[in-house]
Amino acid sequence: AQSVAQPEDQVNVAEGNPLTVKCTYSVSGNPYLFWYVQYPNRGLQFLLKYITGDNLVKGSYGFEAEFNKSQTSFHLKKPSALVSDSALYFCAVRDGTAPLVFGKGTRLSVIA
Amino acid sequence: DGGITQSPKYLFRKEGQNVTLSCEQNLNHDAMYWYRQDPGQGLRLIYYSQIVNDFQKGDIAEGYSVSREKKESFPLTVTSAQKNPTAFYLCASSNSRTSGNTIYFGEGSWLTVV
Repeated sequence: AQSVAQPEDQVNVAEGNPLTVKCTYSVSGNPYLFWYVQYPNRGLQFLLKYITGDNLVKGSYGFEAEFNKSQTSFHLKKPSALVSDSALYFCAVRDGTAPLVFGKGTRLSVIA
Repeated sequence: DGGITQSPKYLFRKEGQNVTLSCEQNLNHDAMYWYRQDPGQGLRLIYYSQIVNDFQKGDIAEGYSVSREKKESFPLTVTSAQKNPTAFYLCASSNSRTSGNTIYFGEGSWLTVV
């Protein structure tokens, strides 16, 4: 069975500083990994995904994620955080065409 | 506008009452999903359907029912058997024919028991 862990419930970062939101996964086959963002009272917005190929994936709004097979990690990063990045972030894994399995989410707070 | 439309945004249910949440998509996606979101628990899968007239239970299907009579529509009924239905419900869809395809979400519906 596949699973995702987001070890931090909350991440605080100062505006302009780099940010990292951590994610580790467990999957039996090839991992298809996703990051989504959720603003209050809204649905999930897709940020980026890893399917195969380059370990550094670039996505929307300046976000990127680094796939590390040996550490089974897929951390979300951004070089310079904005206050508007404050939101709830979800990492998810998909086994082929099966539904997504989500982590519990990490709340990012960017402080001006 | 292309996308996934959920309605209503807010719904109140009385004890013992069944309620139905609507989900419509015009993305021509084969697969549709229902997730439930509770604070601190992430999203949990209720039901999903990869083709019309077929659907599968997810991790927390008890107390819920679905139908998939049309490709565009995947309504979720929260029955009186669901003892703790207060939550945020998210509908999603994807093209199911290729591994790793992105799943897209609607804006969600709040259900509150009164």
